[in-house]
Amino acid sequence: EDQVTQSPEALRLQEGESSSLNCSYTVSGLRGLFWYRQDPGKGPEFLFTLYSAGEEKEKERLKATLTKKESFLHITAPKPEDSATYLCAVIRNGQNFVFGPGTRLSVLP
Amino acid sequence: NAGVTQTPKFQVLKTGQSMTLQCAQDMNHNSMYWYRQDPGMGLRLIYYSASEGTTDKGEVPNGYNVSRLNKREFSLRLESAAPSQTSVYFCATTGGLFTPLHFGNGTRLTVT
Repeated sequence: EDQVTQSPEALRLQEGESSSLNCSYTVSGLRGLFWYRQDPGKGPEFLFTLYSAGEEKEKERLKATLTKKESFLHITAPKPEDSATYLCAVIRNGQNFVFGPGTRLSVLP
Repeated sequence: NAGVTQTPKFQVLKTGQSMTLQCAQDMNHNSMYWYRQDPGMGLRLIYYSASEGTTDKGEVPNGYNVSRLNKREFSLRLESAAPSQTSVYFCATTGGLFTPLHFGNGTRLTVT
Protein backbone atom coordinates (compact mmCIF):
# COMPACT_ATOMS: atom_id res chain seq x y z
CA GLU A 1 0.00 0.00 0.00
CA ASP A 2 1.28 3.45 -0.91
CA GLN A 3 2.14 5.50 2.16
CA VAL A 4 3.43 8.99 2.76
CA THR A 5 4.63 10.14 6.16
CA GLN A 6 5.90 13.56 7.17
CA SER A 7 8.07 14.63 10.08
CA PRO A 8 8.05 16.41 12.32
CA GLU A 9 4.34 16.87 12.87
CA ALA A 10 4.99 20.41 14.08
CA LEU A 11 8.08 22.63 14.10
CA ARG A 12 8.73 25.93 15.81
CA LEU A 13 11.67 28.00 14.60
CA GLN A 14 13.07 31.37 15.45
CA GLU A 15 13.28 33.80 12.56
CA GLY A 16 16.53 33.07 10.71
CA GLU A 17 16.89 29.54 12.13
CA SER A 18 17.24 27.18 9.15
CA SER A 19 15.79 23.66 9.23
CA SER A 20 14.40 20.83 7.10
CA LEU A 21 11.08 19.06 6.79
CA ASN A 22 10.96 15.40 5.81
CA CYS A 23 8.58 13.48 3.55
CA SER A 24 9.10 9.70 3.40
CA TYR A 25 7.24 7.50 0.97
CA THR A 26 6.76 3.82 0.22
CA VAL A 27 5.68 3.84 -3.42
CA SER A 28 7.00 1.66 -6.18
CA GLY A 29 7.31 3.31 -9.55
CA LEU A 30 7.17 6.91 -8.33
CA ARG A 31 6.25 9.30 -11.12
CA GLY A 32 6.27 12.55 -9.16
CA LEU A 33 6.54 14.09 -5.70
CA PHE A 34 4.82 17.39 -4.97
CA TRP A 35 5.21 19.96 -2.20
CA TYR A 36 2.40 22.29 -1.19
CA ARG A 37 2.00 25.12 1.29
CA GLN A 38 -1.34 25.53 3.08
CA ASP A 39 -2.32 28.62 5.04
CA PRO A 40 -5.18 28.47 7.59
CA GLY A 41 -8.56 28.63 5.88
CA LYS A 42 -7.07 28.24 2.40
CA GLY A 43 -6.51 25.48 -0.10
CA PRO A 44 -3.06 23.97 -0.65
CA GLU A 45 -0.83 26.10 -2.86
CA PHE A 46 1.56 24.30 -5.19
CA LEU A 47 5.29 24.85 -4.56
CA PHE A 48 7.41 22.21 -6.33
CA THR A 49 7.34 19.04 -8.39
CA LEU A 50 10.25 16.58 -8.28
CA TYR A 51 10.33 13.75 -10.79
CA SER A 52 13.55 11.82 -10.20
CA ALA A 53 16.06 11.07 -7.46
CA GLY A 54 18.77 13.70 -7.26
CA GLU A 55 16.53 16.46 -8.54
CA GLU A 56 16.44 19.78 -6.66
CA LYS A 57 14.14 22.82 -6.96
CA GLU A 58 14.46 26.22 -5.29
CA LYS A 59 12.14 29.13 -4.67
CA GLU A 60 13.16 32.03 -2.46
CA ARG A 61 14.03 30.52 0.97
CA LEU A 62 12.78 27.03 0.08
CA LYS A 63 14.70 24.19 -1.53
CA ALA A 64 13.24 20.75 -2.22
CA THR A 65 15.32 17.64 -2.80
CA LEU A 66 14.43 14.04 -3.67
CA THR A 67 16.01 10.65 -3.01
CA LYS A 68 14.64 7.19 -3.75
CA LYS A 69 12.86 7.01 -0.39
CA GLU A 70 12.30 10.57 0.81
CA SER A 71 12.19 14.23 0.06
CA PHE A 72 13.36 17.18 2.11
CA LEU A 73 12.08 20.72 2.13
CA HIS A 74 14.93 22.91 3.36
CA ILE A 75 14.02 26.32 4.73
CA THR A 76 16.90 28.79 4.88
CA ALA A 77 16.70 31.81 7.20
CA PRO A 78 12.91 31.56 7.55
CA LYS A 79 10.67 34.56 8.16
CA PRO A 80 7.35 34.66 10.05
CA GLU A 81 5.49 34.73 6.73
CA ASP A 82 6.82 31.22 6.05
CA SER A 83 4.58 29.93 8.83
CA ALA A 84 2.12 27.45 7.29
CA THR A 85 1.42 23.74 6.96
CA TYR A 86 3.57 22.05 4.36
CA LEU A 87 2.14 19.01 2.58
CA CYS A 88 3.79 16.50 0.32
CA ALA A 89 2.10 14.14 -2.11
CA VAL A 90 3.22 11.38 -4.46
CA ILE A 91 1.82 9.85 -7.62
CA ARG A 92 2.62 6.69 -9.56
CA ASN A 93 1.34 5.01 -12.69
CA GLY A 94 -2.35 4.28 -12.75
CA GLN A 95 -2.96 5.73 -9.30
CA ASN A 96 -4.09 9.00 -7.86
CA PHE A 97 -2.21 11.35 -5.59
CA VAL A 98 -1.42 10.17 -2.05
CA PHE A 99 -0.93 12.94 0.50
CA GLY A 100 1.00 13.02 3.74
CA PRO A 101 -0.55 14.52 6.91
CA GLY A 102 1.60 17.65 6.77
CA THR A 103 4.08 19.53 8.95
CA ARG A 104 2.88 22.66 10.78
CA LEU A 105 5.66 25.23 10.72
CA SER A 106 5.67 28.25 13.01
CA VAL A 107 8.38 30.88 12.61
CA LEU A 108 8.62 33.23 15.56
CA PRO A 109 9.89 36.79 15.16
CA ASN B 1 -7.85 35.35 -12.20
CA ALA B 2 -7.64 31.77 -13.43
CA GLY B 3 -8.33 29.20 -10.78
CA VAL B 4 -10.74 26.95 -8.94
CA THR B 5 -13.84 28.41 -7.30
CA GLN B 6 -15.84 26.59 -4.63
CA THR B 7 -19.22 27.49 -3.17
CA PRO B 8 -20.36 27.80 -0.48
CA LYS B 9 -17.42 28.64 1.78
CA PHE B 10 -19.20 27.53 4.95
CA GLN B 11 -22.22 25.33 5.60
CA VAL B 12 -23.95 23.88 8.65
CA LEU B 13 -26.33 20.98 8.16
CA LYS B 14 -28.44 18.85 10.43
CA THR B 15 -28.13 15.08 10.26
CA GLY B 16 -30.17 13.76 7.34
CA GLN B 17 -30.20 16.98 5.33
CA SER B 18 -28.84 17.08 1.81
CA MET B 19 -26.67 19.59 -0.01
CA THR B 20 -24.53 20.06 -3.09
CA LEU B 21 -21.04 21.54 -3.08
CA GLN B 22 -20.19 23.37 -6.27
CA CYS B 23 -16.82 23.63 -8.01
CA ALA B 24 -15.89 25.48 -11.18
CA GLN B 25 -12.50 25.88 -12.86
CA ASP B 26 -11.41 28.21 -15.61
CA MET B 27 -8.02 26.57 -16.21
CA ASN B 28 -9.32 24.48 -19.14
CA HIS B 29 -8.20 21.29 -17.38
CA ASN B 30 -9.71 17.89 -18.08
CA SER B 31 -9.32 16.26 -14.67
CA MET B 32 -11.17 17.33 -11.53
CA TYR B 33 -11.15 15.94 -8.00
CA TRP B 34 -12.97 16.13 -4.69
CA TYR B 35 -10.98 15.68 -1.47
CA ARG B 36 -11.83 15.90 2.19
CA GLN B 37 -9.34 17.07 4.81
CA ASP B 38 -9.56 16.00 8.43
CA PRO B 39 -7.08 16.77 11.21
CA GLY B 40 -4.14 14.36 11.25
CA MET B 41 -5.39 12.37 8.26
CA GLY B 42 -4.21 14.32 5.26
CA LEU B 43 -6.22 14.85 2.13
CA ARG B 44 -8.33 11.86 1.09
CA LEU B 45 -9.84 11.43 -2.36
CA ILE B 46 -13.62 11.11 -2.52
CA TYR B 47 -14.30 11.07 -6.27
CA TYR B 48 -12.53 12.19 -9.40
CA SER B 49 -13.34 12.84 -13.03
CA ALA B 50 -10.61 12.24 -15.60
CA SER B 51 -12.60 14.00 -18.30
CA GLU B 52 -16.04 15.35 -19.07
CA GLY B 53 -18.56 12.51 -18.89
CA THR B 54 -16.55 10.20 -16.64
CA THR B 55 -16.40 9.85 -12.86
CA ASP B 56 -14.69 7.32 -10.58
CA LYS B 57 -14.63 6.51 -6.89
CA GLY B 58 -11.67 7.43 -4.77
CA GLU B 59 -10.61 6.27 -1.32
CA VAL B 60 -13.69 7.42 0.67
CA PRO B 61 -16.75 7.60 -1.65
CA ASN B 62 -19.46 6.28 0.68
CA GLY B 63 -22.21 8.80 1.36
CA TYR B 64 -21.33 11.00 -1.62
CA ASN B 65 -22.31 11.37 -5.25
CA VAL B 66 -20.79 13.53 -7.97
CA SER B 67 -21.77 15.07 -11.27
CA ARG B 68 -19.41 16.33 -13.96
CA LEU B 69 -21.76 18.87 -15.45
CA ASN B 70 -19.37 20.04 -18.18
CA LYS B 71 -15.64 20.59 -18.57
CA ARG B 72 -15.66 23.46 -16.06
CA GLU B 73 -17.96 22.19 -13.32
CA PHE B 74 -17.82 19.23 -10.93
CA SER B 75 -20.30 19.02 -8.06
CA LEU B 76 -20.34 16.88 -4.90
CA ARG B 77 -23.65 15.88 -3.33
CA LEU B 78 -24.38 14.64 0.17
CA GLU B 79 -27.78 12.94 0.04
CA SER B 80 -28.22 12.39 3.78
CA ALA B 81 -25.57 14.15 5.82
CA ALA B 82 -23.99 12.45 8.82
CA PRO B 83 -21.78 13.92 11.59
CA SER B 84 -18.86 11.84 10.21
CA GLN B 85 -19.03 14.04 7.10
CA THR B 86 -18.02 17.11 9.08
CA SER B 87 -14.86 18.13 7.28
CA VAL B 88 -13.25 20.61 4.93
CA TYR B 89 -13.90 19.75 1.30
CA PHE B 90 -11.52 20.75 -1.47
CA CYS B 91 -11.99 20.67 -5.20
CA ALA B 92 -8.88 20.39 -7.35
CA THR B 93 -7.94 20.17 -10.99
CA THR B 94 -4.91 19.08 -12.97
CA GLY B 95 -3.93 19.68 -16.55
CA GLY B 96 -2.23 16.41 -17.43
CA LEU B 97 -0.62 13.21 -16.34
CA PHE B 98 1.74 13.60 -13.36
CA THR B 99 1.22 17.36 -13.20
CA PRO B 100 0.36 19.14 -9.95
CA LEU B 101 -3.10 19.62 -8.54
CA HIS B 102 -4.50 23.14 -8.22
CA PHE B 103 -6.95 23.60 -5.36
CA GLY B 104 -9.87 25.81 -4.50
CA ASN B 105 -10.15 27.40 -1.05
CA GLY B 106 -12.50 24.79 0.32
CA THR B 107 -15.95 24.41 1.82
CA ARG B 108 -16.08 24.03 5.60
CA LEU B 109 -18.99 21.74 6.42
CA THR B 110 -20.36 20.99 9.88
CA VAL B 111 -23.04 18.35 10.37
CA THR B 112 -24.79 18.43 13.75
